[in-house]
Amino acid sequence: ETGVTQTPRHLVMGMTNKKSLKCEQHLGHNAMYWYKQSAKKPLELMFVYNFKEQTENNSVPSRFSPECPNSSHLFLHLHTLQPEDSALYLCASSQDQYGDRSYEQYFGPGTRLTVT
Amino acid sequence: AQSVTQLDSQVPVFEEAPVELRCNYSSSVSVYLFWYVQYPNQGLQLLLKYLSGSTLVKGINGFEAEFNKSQTSFHLRKPSVHISDTAEYFCAVSDPDDYKLSFGAGTTVTVRA
Repeated sequence: ETGVTQTPRHLVMGMTNKKSLKCEQHLGHNAMYWYKQSAKKPLELMFVYNFKEQTENNSVPSRFSPECPNSSHLFLHLHTLQPEDSALYLCASSQDQYGDRSYEQYFGPGTRLTVT
Repeated sequence: AQSVTQLDSQVPVFEEAPVELRCNYSSSVSVYLFWYVQYPNQGLQLLLKYLSGSTLVKGINGFEAEFNKSQTSFHLRKPSVHISDTAEYFCAVSDPDDYKLSFGAGTTVTVRA
């Protein structure tokens, strides 16, 4: 595998379910990001991890819970979601969070989430 | 944080014709500027970036963009498009002292034969 991978690619879940999204980067990067992409809206940054430490939580509801066990893996745990949470969830990584290298973010293909 | 406006939500264009995608951002003393492309069912890929230096930036796949500070714009151009350029294009902006990217809503380019 190369680049940034995400699983599953598609997920349908009910509002009472608990599920997790997984992201893995094979680039040796130290910063990882979760974004939410809704139709015809700008990408919304959700969380940032730098060297496994969470450095940004962009006022995300607590029904979204991130986890970063190491610099290569990032999870997004989901519970009690709402229909408006349906979107494409993108993971990205960069060399690190600060400095010019932070701007070159490499994105995964995303997980298309549908909440019913 | 910066705000970004992509003035065209959809741009249909014929193959081998030129295309220009417009991007304006809220004013700032200095900015970093980016264009990303998202092909169907894929993640975003960096096309080009402006951090400093020449205001004309060349990227991958024959794209280029010009930074215009006075007009706070960073328009993307390609002189001759291919069917494979059909994708969604995102402009993104950041303040140099803030690593976070602010994205526009995207422009869908559809290239027809």
